[in-house]
Amino acid sequence: AQSVAQPEDQVNVAEGNPLTVKCTYSVSGNPYLFWYVQYPNRGLQFLLKYITGDNLVKGSYGFEAEFNKSQTSFHLKKPSALVSDSALYFCAVRAPRTTDSWGKLQFGAGTQVVVTP
Amino acid sequence: DGGITQSPKYLFRKEGQNVTLSCEQNLNHDAMYWYRQDPGQGLRLIYYSQIVNDFQKGDIAEGYSVSREKKESFPLTVTSAQKNPTAFYLCASRNRETYEQYFGPGTRLTVT
Repeated sequence: AQSVAQPEDQVNVAEGNPLTVKCTYSVSGNPYLFWYVQYPNRGLQFLLKYITGDNLVKGSYGFEAEFNKSQTSFHLKKPSALVSDSALYFCAVRAPRTTDSWGKLQFGAGTQVVVTP
Repeated sequence: DGGITQSPKYLFRKEGQNVTLSCEQNLNHDAMYWYRQDPGQGLRLIYYSQIVNDFQKGDIAEGYSVSREKKESFPLTVTSAQKNPTAFYLCASRNRETYEQYFGPGTRLTVT
């Protein structure tokens, strides 16, 4: 079974500084990895994904993430944070199609990002 | 929130009553999912469906039921057997080509 760990409940960063949200995973085989963002009382919005190919993935709103197979990590990064980036961020993993054709995602507990002016 | 609608946004029920949460999508996706979100626990999978008239239990299916009579619709019933029904419920559908899940805006259920 797959699992995801987001070790930080909250990340605080000043506007303009780099933002990093950590994620590590456990899955059999090559993982499919995702980042989602949630604003208060809203559904989740897709940010980016890694399926295969280049380990550095670029996504929406200036976010990027780096897949590191040896460290089983998929940290989310943004070079210069904005106050509007304040939200709840979720990392998710699914097993490859050969082991799970249902496309089930396992989500981390989420990391609250607070960007101060 | 894409092409997925959930209604109502807020729902209040008395303990012991069943309640049905609506989820409709116009994305032509085959797969649909129901999640429950509680503070500090992320999203937990309740039920999922890959095709009409077929669905599978997720990690926390006890006290819930679903149906999938139409491709567009995947309603969730929270029964009186669910011990702690107060939560935020999210519906999603999946794009088979891109693997991305698209989420609805959610329904916040409060049971007193």
